[in-house]
Amino acid sequence: DAKTTQPTSMDCAEGRAANLPCNHSTISGNEYVYWYRQIHSQGPQYIIHGLKNNETNEMASLIITEDRKSSTLILPHATLRDTAVYYCIAGYSTLTFGKGTMLLVSP
Amino acid sequence: DVKVTQSSRYLVKRTGEKVFLECVQDMDHENMFWYRQDPGLGLRLIYFSYDVKMKEKGDIPEGYSVSREKKERFSLILESASTNQTSMYLCASSSNRGQGDTQYFGPGTRLTVL
Repeated sequence: DAKTTQPTSMDCAEGRAANLPCNHSTISGNEYVYWYRQIHSQGPQYIIHGLKNNETNEMASLIITEDRKSSTLILPHATLRDTAVYYCIAGYSTLTFGKGTMLLVSP
Repeated sequence: DVKVTQSSRYLVKRTGEKVFLECVQDMDHENMFWYRQDPGLGLRLIYFSYDVKMKEKGDIPEGYSVSREKKERFSLILESASTNQTSMYLCASSSNRGQGDTQYFGPGTRLTVL
């Protein structure tokens, strides 16, 4: 799996968009970009993944740069329940979790 | 919705005991995984399986073994539990659809070895 780099922590006001960046400059051609999140004491929750194109689902949007060296996860209207550690992973079948970004959503 | 269940949320065992952690998934997934999560170290892959009776070592297999006799069930075995195996254990499953194998996780088992 390619190494990813994420900020350690970020803050966001409730109702605003949360934009979480991730660098994966060594990603290889067949590796996907995955985003998971983990709320304290629970198992990681899948959010979204993509290969080249931008993706959107009911939880979030994923923007991948054309060179695939970085991506951004967008939570369009963050709520207090979105407070969690967010993991960006570049891989295929086995996933290597780094330390992620602790997102704190405040009122 | 994919459901991955783990036999216990919390477990306390004594040093030297044999410990079984069970994981069951209901989506007919081919792949199953066992991770442990420790503060400051993130999730680390212990073992995984791509099919019934198959197993592959992950990054930290020492002190663990696994069993996959049925497609839906993947067991993690600590033959002789030690205090350094106190951790949160997470099971996951995924399918082989060729579009990125999204892993779905269970709620975790917090194991304490005394």
